Amino acid sequence: KNEVEQSPQNLTAQEGEFITINCSYSVGISALHWLQQHPGGGIVSLFMLSSGKKKHGRLIATINIQEKHSSLHITASHPRDSAVYICAVSLTPPNTGNQFYFGTGTSLTVIP
Amino acid sequence: DTGVSQDPRHKITKRGQNVTFRCDPISEHNRLYWYRQTLGQGPEFLTYFQNEAQLEKSRLLSDRFSAERPKGSFSTLEIQRTEQGDSAMYLCASSLTGLAGGPTFGPGTRLTVL
Repeated sequence: KNEVEQSPQNLTAQEGEFITINCSYSVGISALHWLQQHPGGGIVSLFMLSSGKKKHGRLIATINIQEKHSSLHITASHPRDSAVYICAVSLTPPNTGNQFYFGTGTSLTVIP
Repeated sequence: DTGVSQDPRHKITKRGQNVTFRCDPISEHNRLYWYRQTLGQGPEFLTYFQNEAQLEKSRLLSDRFSAERPKGSFSTLEIQRTEQGDSAMYLCASSLTGLAGGPTFGPGTRLTVL
């Protein structure tokens, strides 16, 4: 069983739709990260969360520490949002050796 | 310093050959990580350094793999006697110790073993 689970694995949406990607984790964390990877591209960090909610443009990330769950929302989705979205967690010290565990990603396709 | 860089970006090699990849992290980051990513999967941890010390290696890292970070700055990952199963994207990331700050990833080196 992976320490970080994401759902759905694949998601297709029409342009303009509201999108939600979910992430659950089973380890003690100091922070959760949402990452974006475009096809053939590098990985970029979107958000780092330790509590509550963050918003950047059309992207919103929330985390519930008690339930060990986070969601990434995209409002008014656009074809340029098509990418793989990866959830990752930073472990709680002293288990900081590996430091980051990653989900397998959610592949999002937004159709015009 | 604009981020993490990796060289080469693409490498095609024949089975049995040795390959070496380089990663230049963000200069003030003392932790450096190597990950491998195959199609449809998230990054898999290979190894990490704190300064020049290699502190952890994954069981995925067979004897054919070796990584160094001789001066605590850039790092190299060498794969000896490559196999077709080694074909993947090799990602380098760096971060600071003691912070929950996210890793900064390099663009990756895509290895194809024919």
